[in-house]
Amino acid sequence: NAGVMQNPRHLVRRRGQEARLRCSPMKGHSHVYWYRQLPEEGLKFMVYLQKENIIDESGMPKERFSAEFPKEGPSILRIQQVVRGDSAAYFCASSPPTVGSPLHFGNGTRLTVT
Amino acid sequence: GESVGLHLPTLSVQEGDNSIINCAYSNSASDYFIWYKQESGKGPQFIIDIRSNMDKRQGQRVTVLLNKTVKHLSLQIAATQPGDSAVYFCAEKTTDSWGKLQFGAGTQVVVTP
Repeated sequence: NAGVMQNPRHLVRRRGQEARLRCSPMKGHSHVYWYRQLPEEGLKFMVYLQKENIIDESGMPKERFSAEFPKEGPSILRIQQVVRGDSAAYFCASSPPTVGSPLHFGNGTRLTVT
Repeated sequence: GESVGLHLPTLSVQEGDNSIINCAYSNSASDYFIWYKQESGKGPQFIIDIRSNMDKRQGQRVTVLLNKTVKHLSLQIAATQPGDSAVYFCAEKTTDSWGKLQFGAGTQVVVTP
């Protein structure tokens, strides 16, 4: 039973380029969450999605960031016109549609903006 | 060894000793708490959780204690092993907030031989 799969593991982008991060949840999990982790800090919530719906995006920056979880395929976190401050580890987590279930995290995508 | 949240971010423990990692949580409305372990280059790994209607829960070599009066959470690891070296995060949430977790800053545990 595969865990949460994220790709790529490492992504390097120049300032102004776009970054696309992908996440496939665990089998049977219909809820996806994205978190960001800056060096030596805890994880910060960004967005919570269900299939084709954004449920809570209160942690997303107002500009340049967007997320989707289409009916078919992985969830995508998209960062347009990246800046150096976007350099971080981005983690995806998933859970089943049961209130109170623990989140299972992927191994993250480490984005470096040069 | 013992640590206290943000004020002592590194805990050095001798192999075989017990570890205690402390966490002060912020939201009095939180009713679900989780401990995660994060090894270098990996994502957080679920260790154990506890709901607010409990004050203690045990797993394999780990025990979580919850004191709602002072909003304090602790993780005890028995007979610490080299493989326990990692950063440990506590996380809190309210039941109706699904997966919107509030993470603490973490405690680095270093196990020495």
